[in-house]
Parts: sequence; structure tokens; C-alpha cells
Amino acid sequence: AQSVAQPEDQVNVAEGNPLTVKCTYSVSGNPYLFWYVQYPNRGLQFLLKYITGDNLVKGSYGFEAEFNKSQTSFHLKKPSALVSDSALYFCAVSPISSGSARQLTFGSGTQLTVLP
Amino acid sequence: DSGVTQTPKHLITATGQRVTLRCSPRSGDLSVYWYQQSLDQGLQFLIQYYNGEERAKGNILERFSAQQFPDLHSELNLSSLELGDSALYFCASSPSGTSSSEQYFGPGTRLTVT
Repeated sequence: AQSVAQPEDQVNVAEGNPLTVKCTYSVSGNPYLFWYVQYPNRGLQFLLKYITGDNLVKGSYGFEAEFNKSQTSFHLKKPSALVSDSALYFCAVSPISSGSARQLTFGSGTQLTVLP
Repeated sequence: DSGVTQTPKHLITATGQRVTLRCSPRSGDLSVYWYQQSLDQGLQFLIQYYNGEERAKGNILERFSAQQFPDLHSELNLSSLELGDSALYFCASSPSGTSSSEQYFGPGTRLTVT
């Protein structure tokens, strides 16, 4: 069974500083990896995904994520945080496989607060 | 705005009742997914439909059922409701049913069971 761990429930960072939101995963075989963001009272919004190829993936709003197969990690990063980045961030994994196990499994979420 | 619409936005009902949540996917998307988000369980995948056919099933209770209609909208039916069913229910859609596709989420339906 696949699983995702987001070890930090809360991350605080000062505006202008770099931010990292951590994610590790467990899946049989190779994974597809995703980051989504949820603003208050809104649905999730897709940020970026890793399918194959370059381990550094660039996404929306200046976010990027690095796939590390040996560490089974997919940390979300941004060089300079904005107050408007404050939201709940979810990492998700899906296996590269056929059959019914293609569902997306989400982590528990990390609340990012960017302090002015 | 993701292009996925969900109705109603809020629903308050009593234990034992039955409700229907409705979802319209983005134009052109064939696959619809249902999720439940609660404080204790997090975001849980319930069920996926692709072009009218059930594609994958997750942690969906037997009291819950769903379907996707020929016009591709989907409904999630929740019956014999319990207090623990109170949650935010999201619908998402994607162009295909493949696991590499990103999903586009609706704004959710907040269900409160009293």
C-alpha cells in the first residue's frame, strides 16, 4: 500500500526567506508525485507534479520540488516566501501501475505560515 | 476557479437521513473523483469514475454510493447518515483516468450531520 508522510504539521517562515515543506513517500515501484495547495474555504489547487525525467520540477507561483529517489522524498521549495503563500500544502503519491491501485494518496498536510 | 462545480455548498441534515451531493467536472474532463476531508481522517479518496464507469474504489462506506451520468456529471449519495459523516466532500476531475494526470478540485460541499 502506498503512503505519504508530511512530518511537519506547521512551518513558519519570514517573508523573503526560502521555504521548504517536506514530504516522503512509500510506494511499490516508481511513483507519480504531486503537490497541491488549499486556501481557507477553498478546494485544492494543483501546484506541480513529477512524472519522469529531471528531478527538479518547477510549478505554479514560483514553487519547485526536488524528487530524490534514494531518500524517497519530494520536498516543496520556494526561494523567497510571500505572505500570500500562507496556506495548507498537501503532498500526494500515485503508483505507476495499472489496475485499481491508481488512486491518489494524500499526506496529512502542512500548514505554512509566512510572517511579514 | 478550477471549472469544477459542486452543489450544494453547505448541507445540514439529521442522523439517519440521506443526501445527494452533485458535481459537474471541467469541460472535456472524463474522470471524476470524490474525496472526504475531515479533521481526524484527513483527505481520503472515496471513488473514481471514468466516462460513466467506476474505475477505482477507496475508503468508501457501504452506506455511500456514487454514479456518473452520460453528461459526465456525478452524484455522491450518502445514506443512514451518522455524526461522523460530517466533513467536507470534494469532487475533482481530470481529462483522463490515468494516475499521472493532475486533478482539478471543486470548492467542496460542507456536510454537517446533527
